Amino acid sequence: AQKVTQAQTEISVVEKEDVTLDCVYETRDTTYYLFWYKQPPSGELVFLIRRNSFDEQNEISGRYSWNFQKSTSSFNFTITASQVVDSAVYFCALSEEDRDDKIIFGKGTRLHILP
Amino acid sequence: NAGVTQTPKFQVLKTGQSMTLQCAQDMNHEYMSWYRQDPGMGLRLIHYSVGAGITDQGEVPNGYNVSRSTTEDFPLRLLSAAPSQTSVYFCASSIQEGNTEAFFGQGTRLTVV
Repeated sequence: AQKVTQAQTEISVVEKEDVTLDCVYETRDTTYYLFWYKQPPSGELVFLIRRNSFDEQNEISGRYSWNFQKSTSSFNFTITASQVVDSAVYFCALSEEDRDDKIIFGKGTRLHILP
Repeated sequence: NAGVTQTPKFQVLKTGQSMTLQCAQDMNHEYMSWYRQDPGMGLRLIHYSVGAGITDQGEVPNGYNVSRSTTEDFPLRLLSAAPSQTSVYFCASSIQEGNTEAFFGQGTRLTVV
């Protein structure tokens, strides 16, 4: 079964702290894709990153970094030197090639960055 | 570019009423989908379409119908609204299959009383 678990429902950190959002996925497919999306208080959904199952390289984009580990079925997201503007709900998502590539989302982690 | 456009942005329905949530994209994307977002539940897939004339069910399809007569449009129909369908609805589109970046509409906040 296709499943995405974001065990952290809500996290609060003080500005400038680093924070890691966890994502654990379940799949039986060998070809799959992982995503992170951000939903700021304004409500829109913003794409952050896409990773395929054959690319385990970690990615860094400014203050954002992603750690993909197939051995633990995890795709964690770290924000370095957090800022108030990072306050949002963050969703991890999974799609599987053998299932029409439907994107299934986790329940999200609400991140509060305190000034 | 307009991207993905959803209408209306807000809607209040009475139990038993029907309505259609509209979704249109101008990016020539093949793949479109509808999600609902409820507190603590994340985004749940209702229906999706891999191209014009093809639709399929997602995780929570009951109470909803869709059709895809054109590449651009993917309306979501509620035949007989129930309070359990109170939610925020998002339409999304992707270039081809859902394994590419999804572009989302602004959402429709629906209340069923």
